[in-house]
Amino acid sequence: NAGVTQTPKFRILKIGQSMTLQCTQDMNHNYMYWYRQDPGMGLKLIYYSVGAGITDKGEVPNGYNVSRSTTEDFPLRLELAAPSQTSVYFCASSFGEPQHFGDGTRLSIL
Amino acid sequence: DAKTTQPPSMDCAEGRAANLPCNHSTISGNEYVYWYRQIHSQGPQYIIHGLKNNETNEMASLIITEDRKSSTLILPHATLRDTAVYYCIVRVIGNQFYFGTGTSLTVIP
Repeated sequence: NAGVTQTPKFRILKIGQSMTLQCTQDMNHNYMYWYRQDPGMGLKLIYYSVGAGITDKGEVPNGYNVSRSTTEDFPLRLELAAPSQTSVYFCASSFGEPQHFGDGTRLSIL
Repeated sequence: DAKTTQPPSMDCAEGRAANLPCNHSTISGNEYVYWYRQIHSQGPQYIIHGLKNNETNEMASLIITEDRKSSTLILPHATLRDTAVYYCIVRVIGNQFYFGTGTSLTVIP
């Protein structure tokens, strides 16, 4: 099993550009999550989903959008990249507990 | 906001037990306590969780006080590979986790 797969692993964006961070899981988990982690800090929840077609805001949703058209995929969209969105982004999934995390996407906005 | 308080850093000698404390004085009756760790900025790794009773698995033990306002994660025989940031998390309704800044554990040879 691949578990939770995130792509890309690294990306540099210019201010104002848009991009989609991909996340897919092969464990048939109903719950999926997006977190961001700034240097020296813990993870903060951006969005989460309890199943296909259902998404909800977490602690820091501003500047991001998500969709959940299938059980497996939970992409995170940045429409107008800003320097404050420079961070490491983690996707996770669960069926109850525990949450299983991907290896992260390191994103820099310059 | 994180609902837990942890010391920012701790050291432990290799082979000794590492005891990591966590304060969660505002925890509600139906909220679980979870422990994760993060090694070298990889994705967090699940360790253990509990509600009221003490729990043990192949990785660690979790001791929760009777009033549930604090808990301790115990790594019985710390190795160099246990050097990581350890997060104590209270799960709120909707499966949302609120991570604090964690405890950076350094295992010393």
